[in-house]
Amino acid sequence: EAGVTQSPTHLIKTRGQQATLRCSPISGHTSVYWYQQALGLGLQFLLWYDEGEERNRGNFPPRFSGRQFPNYSSELNVNALELEDSALYLCASSWGVRESQETQYFGPGTRLLVL
Amino acid sequence: QQQVKQSPQSLIVQKGGISIINCAYENTAFDYFPWYQQFPGKGPALLIAIRPDVSEKKEGRFTISFNKSAKQFSLHIMDSQPGDSATYFCAASKRAAGNKLTFGGGTRVLVKP
Repeated sequence: EAGVTQSPTHLIKTRGQQATLRCSPISGHTSVYWYQQALGLGLQFLLWYDEGEERNRGNFPPRFSGRQFPNYSSELNVNALELEDSALYLCASSWGVRESQETQYFGPGTRLLVL
Repeated sequence: QQQVKQSPQSLIVQKGGISIINCAYENTAFDYFPWYQQFPGKGPALLIAIRPDVSEKKEGRFTISFNKSAKQFSLHIMDSQPGDSATYFCAASKRAAGNKLTFGGGTRVLVKP
């Protein structure tokens, strides 16, 4: 069974640009979560999508947004990039709240560097 | 507000020794407590998880001890091996909030041969 995949593995942008990160969940999983892992700040919850809808978001500004497609893959967009957005962005998937399965499986992450 | 506090930040253990990592949480609504292992440049991988109706769970060399009244849980790594050298994160979630994970700050474990 293929795991969670993310692309690209690395992304270099300059301040003010936009970044788009992609995630494909494990087959059958309908929930996708995004987390930010910045140096010194640990893992912070960003967004949760389930069945195509945004269900919850963490304490991040609106320039962090995303969507989930009908095939349950997801995209994270970060607009007006700032230097402190440099981090590893992790995507995780699970069966979804309907299935009462809490376990989240993580992808390898996208390393975003903002110059 | 840090809802899950993890200690120690780092730990060095000899091969064959026991590594112990502790976590404390504040929100009594949490109903799922996983531990993740992360190697440099990789995403976190689920190690073991527990629900609050169980006081202990063991999988191979890894054991979670859970104390609901104290709002604490810990990970014990028995017979630590150099391959266990990694960063370990405890986390907590609640079904009512869509199972979003709240992570502890992480513990970097180094197992010396």
